Amino acid sequence: GEDVEQSLFLSVREGDSSVINCTYTDSSSTYLYWYKQEPGAGLQLLTYIFSNMDMKQDQRLTVLLNKKDKHLSLRIADTQTGDSAIYFCAETLGTARQLTFGSGTQLTVLP
Amino acid sequence: DAGVIQSPRHEVTEMGQEVTLRCKPISGHNSLFWYRQTMMRGLELLIYFNNNVPIDDSGMPEDRFSAKMPNASFSTLKIQPSEPRDSAVYFCASSPDGVSGNTIYFGEGSWLTVV
Repeated sequence: GEDVEQSLFLSVREGDSSVINCTYTDSSSTYLYWYKQEPGAGLQLLTYIFSNMDMKQDQRLTVLLNKKDKHLSLRIADTQTGDSAIYFCAETLGTARQLTFGSGTQLTVLP
Repeated sequence: DAGVIQSPRHEVTEMGQEVTLRCKPISGHNSLFWYRQTMMRGLELLIYFNNNVPIDDSGMPEDRFSAKMPNASFSTLKIQPSEPRDSAVYFCASSPDGVSGNTIYFGEGSWLTVV
């Protein structure tokens, strides 16, 4: 069965790097995603990675995928106060189109 | 470009009333999803349509919930009768078919409170 797990909280200082981690259990994951949710807002797609890739970089964001350990991470370089939000890891399985979400990680950026 | 548009953004209703949530997906997207977000259960898929046809409704909690997609540009999620435990944020999302990836875009959500 599928299960996506994330730690609930992360605090970093402004300007430092943030690393948000996610583990999943189903080896048939095809795409893995990171979404950002600010208070009172919807889910914003940040980036996604196909399961045959190891890394994807997009400006301040770096996604690393370790398929052997079923571990996904999102690194945010030079974290800013505007990055404070809940970050959700999500996956799609096989040819299925629906997302399975983790519980979300609340990122707090301290001045 | 217009994203996924949901209405109403906020609704407060009394227990027993009917609630209708509406969604307009991104033009050209073939798949439409309804998700529910609560503190206790996080984000759960309720139902998923592809080309206006329901593909997976296993997440619909009970018969009080129904969803329709009469055409490619409109979907509704109806709760009748509503109960306090239905209070949640309901998200609609859409995605295109095709090889470019399963990019799924969410609306801003409908924040429902049943009192």
